[in-house]
Amino acid sequence: GENVEQHPSTLSVQEGDSAVIKCTYSDSASNYFPWYKQELGKRPQLIIDIRSNVGEKKDQRIAVTLNKTAKHFSLHITETQPEDSAVYFCAAPTQGGSEKLVFGKGTKLTVNP
Amino acid sequence: DTGVSQNPRHKITKRGQNVTFRCDPISEHNRLYWYRQTLGQGPEFLTYFQNEAQLEKSRLLSDRFSAERPKGSFSTLEIQRTEQGDSAMYLCASSPLPGNTGELFFGEGSRLTVL
Repeated sequence: GENVEQHPSTLSVQEGDSAVIKCTYSDSASNYFPWYKQELGKRPQLIIDIRSNVGEKKDQRIAVTLNKTAKHFSLHITETQPEDSAVYFCAAPTQGGSEKLVFGKGTKLTVNP
Repeated sequence: DTGVSQNPRHKITKRGQNVTFRCDPISEHNRLYWYRQTLGQGPEFLTYFQNEAQLEKSRLLSDRFSAERPKGSFSTLEIQRTEQGDSAMYLCASSPLPGNTGELFFGEGSRLTVL
């Protein structure tokens, strides 16, 4: 089955700096890679996703890059703000008749003012 | 609020008791998932439904756990003879699309504490 590894587990940056979170996956057939943000005590919410037919996708200060050869994808947040502080989860779908998302363990991002 | 609704939001129970959680998905969402989340971990898959059919159940799920989705609308997750290791946040999510390549809309979760 799919296995998703996420690094780092915690990340602290100064406001205005960039933050990068990386994930690796095991199933080369995976074709969809979402990122979810979970603020303290709140539900996880999708912030950006990428499909395997593109290498990069941007949405304002957030971008995701995908390297299918190396089986890893990354979340990039530029010009970080205190409200970006949250736990971020990557995920990848299982294949072979099982239809679910497997999540990484999460990265706790703290943006210091 | 037309999002995914879960209740109760918090449940404290004694070991050995049964508990039931309810999830009301976004209307017309055919897919409904249950995940479990413990502190410092990502959501862990439990089971999912396509309409009223339960299509997959995690191998990690013991037979004390059962889920239903009668009529393909709301879903319930029951845990029998609770154990302290069952303490976690139980998240429900729904999706309008078949397959596993679409956005999951999560509820706020039901937090279970087993004493």
